[in-house]
Amino acid sequence: GAGVSQSPSNKVTEKGKDVELRCDPISGHTALYWYRQRLGQGLEFLIYFQGNSAPDKSGLPSDRFSAERTGESVSTLTIQRTQQEDSAVYLCASSPGTGWHIQYFGAGTRLSVL
Amino acid sequence: AQSVTQLGSHVSVSEGALVLLRCNYSSSVPPYLFWYVQYPNQGLQLLLKYTTGATLVKGINGFEAEFKKSETSFHLTKPSAHMSDAAEYFCAVRSRNSGGSNYKLTFGKGTLLTVNP
Repeated sequence: GAGVSQSPSNKVTEKGKDVELRCDPISGHTALYWYRQRLGQGLEFLIYFQGNSAPDKSGLPSDRFSAERTGESVSTLTIQRTQQEDSAVYLCASSPGTGWHIQYFGAGTRLSVL
Repeated sequence: AQSVTQLGSHVSVSEGALVLLRCNYSSSVPPYLFWYVQYPNQGLQLLLKYTTGATLVKGINGFEAEFKKSETSFHLTKPSAHMSDAAEYFCAVRSRNSGGSNYKLTFGKGTLLTVNP
């Protein structure tokens, strides 16, 4: 596609429910990143995928968070048993490779946990 | 560990006035430096970056930034603000070290720029 696509753009859920957020990277981009943006805060790194290498999950805040990526395509970020503190904008980015300086961002998914 | 500090969470200028958004970093080795802009309900868009060479870099929309190693700064400027510049601006750094987790971007908390008519 022309850019990084994320869906849904907005998600409202009840505390305790599971949610899945989707990211379609730019075609051909091998590197994919997830970030979390809380209100009034900068972006926090969550997880990184590069090709078929083991992902870097060091930024995931708890074991309720997980992410998968199929090959070099779509990625899904799953949050189980959502809590109110999970409310944030979740941004996905992709780049042609690890050595590439520029990350291209999607518009994000705004998650609201009631 | 790297960190980024953006002084001023909110900056307000008049249309036509100088824009100055401040960014200081903390890193044992000068990192790669970036400024991103985020318009409402949109993703982050790269404004400019410094990797090597000339320390004054020019970006899109008339913005520029200067890397000053002695001050560990990378302030963003624009001579004359337009209404369309109203957005949130993020400074980010990335390690120059090869290997490890040098792919991670570390972001500042952002500065919201308001442009008054």
